[in-house]
Amino acid sequence: DAGVIQSPRHEVTEMGQEVTLRCKPISGHDYLFWYRQTMMRGLELLIYFNNNVPIDDSGMPEDRFSAKMPNASFSTLKIQPSEPRDSAVYFCASSLIWRASYEQYFGPGTRLTVT
Amino acid sequence: AQKITQTQPGMFVQEKEAVTLDCTYDTSDPSYGLFWYKQPSSGEMIFLIYQGSYDQQNATEGRYSLNFQKARKSANLVISASQLGDSAMYFCAMRVSSGYALNFGKGTSLLVTP
Repeated sequence: DAGVIQSPRHEVTEMGQEVTLRCKPISGHDYLFWYRQTMMRGLELLIYFNNNVPIDDSGMPEDRFSAKMPNASFSTLKIQPSEPRDSAVYFCASSLIWRASYEQYFGPGTRLTVT
Repeated sequence: AQKITQTQPGMFVQEKEAVTLDCTYDTSDPSYGLFWYKQPSSGEMIFLIYQGSYDQQNATEGRYSLNFQKARKSANLVISASQLGDSAMYFCAMRVSSGYALNFGKGTSLLVTP
């Protein structure tokens, strides 16, 4: 079974541009999470969805960030306009609620560089 | 508030030796889960092992075991018979019953030497 798929793997953009990160969760998983990893702040949750519905977006840093999950197999994280401090690795993860451990499976990440 | 603390920024171990990576946690929720993830230099996050707060036995997965001491609020990862491929960052994480997201520690960098 395919794991979590993220695209692009690397993104370099200029300040002020719109950036869209994409994620395809593992088929059948009902939770989807977006995390951001930086050296200063480590791994932090941005937002998560249950059955395509946003449950907790308290980690989204600003209104410049938005996330959608139009169906069970696709989610996007958009940054508009982007700033240099948004440079980070963005991970998407999915999990299956009926498993007692609820372990999350991570995608390979998108390394975003904003110049 | 839930907090995960990993006090060892870096560790060295010789190949074939065992190593323990420390993790302490803080939560007032009686129901929680503890996880360890491995992040090699390639960047992906790999799930290693899980321990539930009500589990009576320490979790084991192959060469990985979790030394769960509930009273001390510690969940140390033990890697037996270290291999060169174990060199990576290791993250401890917690999930509480009131949510499904993971709260991660800062990580420990492990280097396995020949």
